[in-house]
Amino acid sequence: AQSVTQLGSHVSVSEGALVLLRCNYSSSVPPYLFWYVQYPNQGLQLLLKYTSAATLVKGINGFEAEFKKSETSFHLTKPSAHMSDAAEYFCAVSVFSGNTGKLIFGQGTTLQVKP
Amino acid sequence: ETGVTQTPRHLVMGMTNKKSLKCEQHLGHNAMYWYKQSAKKPLELMFVYNFKEQTENNSVPSRFSPECPNSSHLFLHLHTLQPEDSALYLCASSQEGSGGDTQYFGPGTRLTVL
Repeated sequence: AQSVTQLGSHVSVSEGALVLLRCNYSSSVPPYLFWYVQYPNQGLQLLLKYTSAATLVKGINGFEAEFKKSETSFHLTKPSAHMSDAAEYFCAVSVFSGNTGKLIFGQGTTLQVKP
Repeated sequence: ETGVTQTPRHLVMGMTNKKSLKCEQHLGHNAMYWYKQSAKKPLELMFVYNFKEQTENNSVPSRFSPECPNSSHLFLHLHTLQPEDSALYLCASSQEGSGGDTQYFGPGTRLTVL
């Protein structure tokens, strides 16, 4: 069965520092992978999506993620953190059974950005 | 209105009340979803509707009753809830409900059950 593990429920970085949020997946078939961000009191917003077209995926707000099949990983990075990046980040894998597609989410990682 | 909207944004109800959550998508999508987001737990998929037909019920208690009258509207009817049902309820939509679809989320309804 497909699953997602996000390593580290809380990550704290200084403004301007590298952001690295870790995600490992389990999937028996080539996966679709997603990163979503959730700001306080809001819904989830898509950051980026992996669809097998390219292993390095660029998203919004300067984020990118690299798909590594050998490591079953899809880590999210940003070269320089901004205060506005403070939020909760979710990694998800898409599964399809019968005629239904659905997302399996990780536990989420809260990113804190210190001035 | 654009994207996915949800009303109300906040709801407080007693355990004997009956209330409904509403979701509307303005994206022309064919699939709609209800999720429950509780503190310290991953998002839990509750229901999936594809072309107005329910295609997934993730073992949700019967005190939650979904309704999808058309591809743009989704309701979650609530009755005799428990305090542990307090959570953020998120609605989402996607184009086809297929495996690679991107889901677009509404802002959620914060539900508190007293």
